[in-house]
Amino acid sequence: GAVVSQHPSWVICKSGTSVKIECRSLDFQATTMFWYRQFPKQSLMLMATSNEGSKATYEQGVEKDKFLINHASLTLSTLTVTSAHPEDSSFYICSATSGEGYNEQFFGPGTRLTVL
Amino acid sequence: KNQVEQSPQSLIILEGKNCTLQCNYTVSPFSNLRWYKQDTGRGPVSLTIMTFSENTKSNGRYTATLDADTKQSSLHITASQLSDSASYICVVSGAGFQKLVFGTGTRLLVSP
Repeated sequence: GAVVSQHPSWVICKSGTSVKIECRSLDFQATTMFWYRQFPKQSLMLMATSNEGSKATYEQGVEKDKFLINHASLTLSTLTVTSAHPEDSSFYICSATSGEGYNEQFFGPGTRLTVL
Repeated sequence: KNQVEQSPQSLIILEGKNCTLQCNYTVSPFSNLRWYKQDTGRGPVSLTIMTFSENTKSNGRYTATLDADTKQSSLHITASQLSDSASYICVVSGAGFQKLVFGTGTRLLVSP
């Protein structure tokens, strides 16, 4: 149990276009989902926290108008990178928690975004 | 400031050998500590999770220890295999808040 999926697993886009990444909790209801970004040889950096039905909370330095997060249901959150630029190229990982027990976060497999 | 530091940054060992990875944290108040394995280009996968009252927890060839007094944890890998080559991340959860504090990870390479 506790499986989180992401789609797509990788995407290449042109500079200036927008890209949507989906994160789904497959076998549990995720009260909270998190979006992380990871650059090569670095650890995960939290971008934003989203609760179902409410606005996401962004970390300092993360542009909310550039990284649009929608958590429309208890099993789906989306991250849209708007007007992507090469510096947005990174590995984006989502995680989800049901809020029970250890409040453990279950991570998705990640999405590799390359902006040309 | 809540921080998690890991050592060594990278490690190369021969297949079949054991190794120990270290994690020191300053997160307070403390809730739990997790060790994750992250293969290149993949999301982190949980290995162990320990609360304040737990000193050790095993998951197959992985054994984690926790000393909440000194705020230190270790991950011991026994009889390493080539598939153990990955980054190992120590993550601490503070009591009362959702955000996790990530260590920078230890990159392990198991050589044949």
